[in-house]
Amino acid sequence: IAGITQAPTSQILAAGRRMTLRCTQDMRHNAMYWYRQDLGLGLRLIHYSNTAGTTGKGEVPDGYSVSRANTDDFPLTLASAVPSQTSVYFCASSEGDGTQETQYFGPGTRLLVL
Amino acid sequence: GQNIDQPTEMTATEGAIVQINCTYQTSGFNGLFWYQQHAGEAPTFLSYNVLDGLEEKGRFSSFLSRSKGYSYLLLKELQMKDSASYLCAATDSNYQLIWGAGTKLIIKP
Repeated sequence: IAGITQAPTSQILAAGRRMTLRCTQDMRHNAMYWYRQDLGLGLRLIHYSNTAGTTGKGEVPDGYSVSRANTDDFPLTLASAVPSQTSVYFCASSEGDGTQETQYFGPGTRLLVL
Repeated sequence: GQNIDQPTEMTATEGAIVQINCTYQTSGFNGLFWYQQHAGEAPTFLSYNVLDGLEEKGRFSSFLSRSKGYSYLLLKELQMKDSASYLCAATDSNYQLIWGAGTKLIIKP
C-alpha cells in the first residue's frame, strides 16, 4: 500500500441500506478526513479525526458516522442511505502536527443511492 | 461567515498564461492552499502560501495578500495536460480547510 486507499471504487446502493466506505493510509498520519464532493460545490467536510481514538463533526455530518480505532483506518458509515447522499466521497489525511496541514487524498468512492 | 470565491470556469490557449483568482473570508487564517483536480481523479497538492507575496514552482506560481483576503494561481506555458479544476482552500484558526467550488480550466490548442 502506498498513500491512501479507498474501497469500494464505486457502488450502487438501494435507499435504506447500510453502507461502510473504507479508508486506509500507510503514512502514519495523525489526522484523517472524510469529504463529499458534489457538482458545483466545494469539498464539504463530513467528519474528521485529529488522532486515533478521537473524531469530530464537520460541515455536513448528518446521516454519517465514523470511527478511528487505530492510526491507519477511518471508515465512514451511512446508517440508512438516502438519494441525497449520492456523491463522490474522498478520504484524506495529514500529518496532524498542528502546523501546515497539507492534505493527501485517496482516489475516491463514487456512490449512487437509488 | 466563512466563504471562498473563485471563478467557475476559464478558457485559455495552449502556450499562454492564465491567472486564477481566489478571495476568502475565514474565522482566523493560517494559510492558503491550491490543489489541482483532473476529471474523475482526486485533488493533488500544488502550493501553500502563508506569507504575503509570490511563490514560484516551475510553471506554476501562487500569490497571497493576507490584508486583502486574496490569492491567485498563475500558470505559464500552458499545456493540454493542465486542463483540470483548480481548488482554492483557506485554513481557518483550527487548521481546518475551507474549500472553494473550484475553477474548471479549459485549454484550447
